[in-house]
Amino acid sequence: KAGVTQTPRYLIKTRGQQVTLSCSPISGHRSVSWYQQTPGQGLQFLFEYFSETQRNKGNFPGRFSGRQFSNSRSEMNVSTLELGDSALYLCASSLRTGGLRAYEQYFGPGTRLTVT
Amino acid sequence: GQQLNQSPQSMFIQEGEDVSMNCTSSSIFNTWLWYKQDPGEGPVLLIALYKAGELTSNGRLTAQFGITRKDSFLNISASIPSDVGIYFCAGTSYDKVIFGPGTSLSVIP
Repeated sequence: KAGVTQTPRYLIKTRGQQVTLSCSPISGHRSVSWYQQTPGQGLQFLFEYFSETQRNKGNFPGRFSGRQFSNSRSEMNVSTLELGDSALYLCASSLRTGGLRAYEQYFGPGTRLTVT
Repeated sequence: GQQLNQSPQSMFIQEGEDVSMNCTSSSIFNTWLWYKQDPGEGPVLLIALYKAGELTSNGRLTAQFGITRKDSFLNISASIPSDVGIYFCAGTSYDKVIFGPGTSLSVIP
């Protein structure tokens, strides 16, 4: 099975712009979660989508939003970019249903966003 | 809210040494997961634990699900340079996955 893919891998934007990142989950996985990781920091949870609905949300401002399509692919959008938004953005997919392995998350390689 | 603590925060060891790290919480978890992240990459799932007391191995890695369901341990035997990275634990409870802050491992050849 192909793993989780994220596009683009690298992105440079200017403060005030907006950005859209894309994530394609493992085939059959219906849940996609997004995380922000800054240098030396752990994984800060942004939100989770399951069956096109947002199931959980972290403590991030409304500038961060996401959506999920019927094929389980997900996008996250950040509007009015700030310098502090520079980070590695990771998405992870999971089954979300079906027993013990439902919550095992499999990560993509991440999108490195730099805001100047 | 639910929170995981990982210790130690960072480790510097000699190649060939064994490594132990742990993850603790005041909350009970149903599943424990251990991940490794190489620089600039996404975390990779190493071991998944599903039952209290369970001990599972993956090559030189061994992890245990604590009896109280509030902790988990990861051991690495005979460390090698490619073991360098950040190790995250994660616990699942109800419909959430909670990640610990990570343990940074450096291996000195």
